[in-house]
Amino acid sequence: GAGVSQSPRYKVAKRGQDVALRCDPISGHVSLFWYQQALGQGPEFLTYFQNEAQLDKSGLPSDRFFAERPEGSVSTLKIQRTQQEDSAVYLCASSLRGWGGYEQYFGPGTRLTVT
Amino acid sequence: KNEVEQSPQNLTAQEGEFITINCSYSVGISALHWLQQHPGGGIVSLFMLSSGKKKHGRLIATINIQEKHSSLHITASHPRDSAVYICAVNEGQGGSEKLVFGKGTKLTVNP
Repeated sequence: GAGVSQSPRYKVAKRGQDVALRCDPISGHVSLFWYQQALGQGPEFLTYFQNEAQLDKSGLPSDRFFAERPEGSVSTLKIQRTQQEDSAVYLCASSLRGWGGYEQYFGPGTRLTVT
Repeated sequence: KNEVEQSPQNLTAQEGEFITINCSYSVGISALHWLQQHPGGGIVSLFMLSSGKKKHGRLIATINIQEKHSSLHITASHPRDSAVYICAVNEGQGGSEKLVFGKGTKLTVNP
């Protein structure tokens, strides 16, 4: 089956615009994660879903960031009123089970550039 | 919060050399992951381990839970091994789902 897919792969937004980033996890995977990776840094946790429930959103940097997974499959990360510091690669990952210690499968990422 | 430190930050080797990348963490974990990231961003999981040692082809990963330390070894390195290698941990005995990442080690293998 297909891996994790993300769209768009690249997004350029003017400061102040809203953006929506999509993640299609591997079919049947219970857990879905969003990470943010700044240039030259390791990824940092943003938020996590188990099925449709958002269990942890402690990594979201501000209330401009919002994520949803309404049917427990596809997820969307929305950033309102984008700022230059939001420029980063946004990675989505999914895993099969609900508890820690399971392998995560990563998508190719969406590179967001805010001008 | 767990602090995950990797060393070295950058590593250049000649083809055929034995490579070691180190990872240390500050708080107890349920699992440690080694990931590979090629230019363009794609991340691939290489290993997930909670004790002992795992081997996959030319790659070997070890972990010492008492010392809170893990190593990734590459034997007979090849230019196609050039990538960023990232260590990440699931925190706590209860098995937190989210990963805490190191900053990565950029490996360049010259022919």
